[in-house]
Amino acid sequence: TQLLEQSPQFLSIQEGENLTVYCNSSSVFSSLQWYRQEPGEGPVLLVTVVTGGEVKKLKRLTFQFGDARKDSSLHITAAQPGDTGLYLCAGLVTRDDKIIFGKGTRLHILP
Amino acid sequence: GAVVSQHPSWVICKSGTSVKIECRSLDFQATTMFWYRQFPKQSLMLMATSNEGSKATYEQGVEKDKFLINHASLTLSTLTVTSAHPEDSSFYICSAHGPLTGGYTFGSGTRLTVV
Repeated sequence: TQLLEQSPQFLSIQEGENLTVYCNSSSVFSSLQWYRQEPGEGPVLLVTVVTGGEVKKLKRLTFQFGDARKDSSLHITAAQPGDTGLYLCAGLVTRDDKIIFGKGTRLHILP
Repeated sequence: GAVVSQHPSWVICKSGTSVKIECRSLDFQATTMFWYRQFPKQSLMLMATSNEGSKATYEQGVEKDKFLINHASLTLSTLTVTSAHPEDSSFYICSAHGPLTGGYTFGSGTRLTVV
């Protein structure tokens, strides 16, 4: 069974600070995705990383895929209250063509 | 872009009754649909994978006789929670994948409350 460990599970920081969320696995994934989910809604895709070592930027969010394609990170610069939410990493299991999710990081940015 | 519609968005039912949740791909053909369950403060747990025209594949620990999945067309999959009990109360989310979308599109979820 392929598992994704996500840390931290909870994070509460002041507006303007930087933070990093980690997603780790002992298995190799063909791609990793990051989602953001608001209460009562489905997850919304932020980014997909496919190539080992790949770095993608989405405004103040920087996503990195590990060289071995087993881990990924999400870094937020100068966090804002609007960044508050649940962030989920998810890996694509090529064999079954399905996505499995990490446990998520609940982020709260204090104004 | 690819859009998935999930209905109803919320439902309350009595214990012992059955509830059907629909997941539709509005502008693409979904060869594969996935059903997830999410308990409060937790992540999404994959329940089953369904391919159009064939039986669903259930994850370990998910009762296939309780959670009936039908994927009769390329744009519609349904999840029926049979003989629902309060412990089945959860947020159910579907996801659809098609050969032309290149990604996985999620529905907006269904909040099921069994009383």
